[in-house]
Amino acid sequence: QKEVEQNSGPLSVPEGAIASLNCTYSDRVSQSFFWYRQYSGKSPELIMSIYSNGDKEDGRFTAQLNKASQYVSLLIRDSQPSDSATYLCADWNSGGGADGLTFGKGTHLIIQP
Amino acid sequence: DTAVSQTPKYLVTQMGNDKSIKCEQNLGHDTMYWYKQDSKKFLKIMFSYNNKELIINETVPNRFSPKSPDKAHLNLHINSLELGDSAVYFCASSPLLSNEKLFFGSGTQLSVL
Repeated sequence: QKEVEQNSGPLSVPEGAIASLNCTYSDRVSQSFFWYRQYSGKSPELIMSIYSNGDKEDGRFTAQLNKASQYVSLLIRDSQPSDSATYLCADWNSGGGADGLTFGKGTHLIIQP
Repeated sequence: DTAVSQTPKYLVTQMGNDKSIKCEQNLGHDTMYWYKQDSKKFLKIMFSYNNKELIINETVPNRFSPKSPDKAHLNLHINSLELGDSAVYFCASSPLLSNEKLFFGSGTQLSVL
């Protein structure tokens, strides 16, 4: 059974610092990886997607993928209190009749002013 | 202008009752989903529909039945509600058969007493 593992936290980071969120996945054939942000009481929102090894940058966010190590990370530079949320890592593959995105349990991030 | 809307937002009911949650999307997407998020924030797919055809059916009890009158709507019917059904249920849609990028509704908090 596919699994996506994340440290549930909470991860506390001072404002202005870099927040580093990590995720590992079990399915070697996974092709696509995503980071969703979920504020308390709200629905998940896609913030980053990454498909190939290396880094992908979008504003203050950088996603990193290492398929050999089955590892995905999200870096948030210049962390703001508004970044405080739960971050869900997810993977997807098309093999064998896609059974949807597999989500990790999320990392609760707290940015301290 | 809400992209994916679901109703009701809150649903409180007694064990044994039958209830429905409605979902509509105006994004023109072909695929719609139901996800369940438990008290530990674990988000898990329940169903997906593509062009009114069920293409994924996870191992959920048959008390849960999705119904899609057209591709813009996917309702969730739950019979004989149990305490363990208490959770937040999210409707979502995606533009491709490969559900890489999900757009979520605001969620329905179901509480079974």
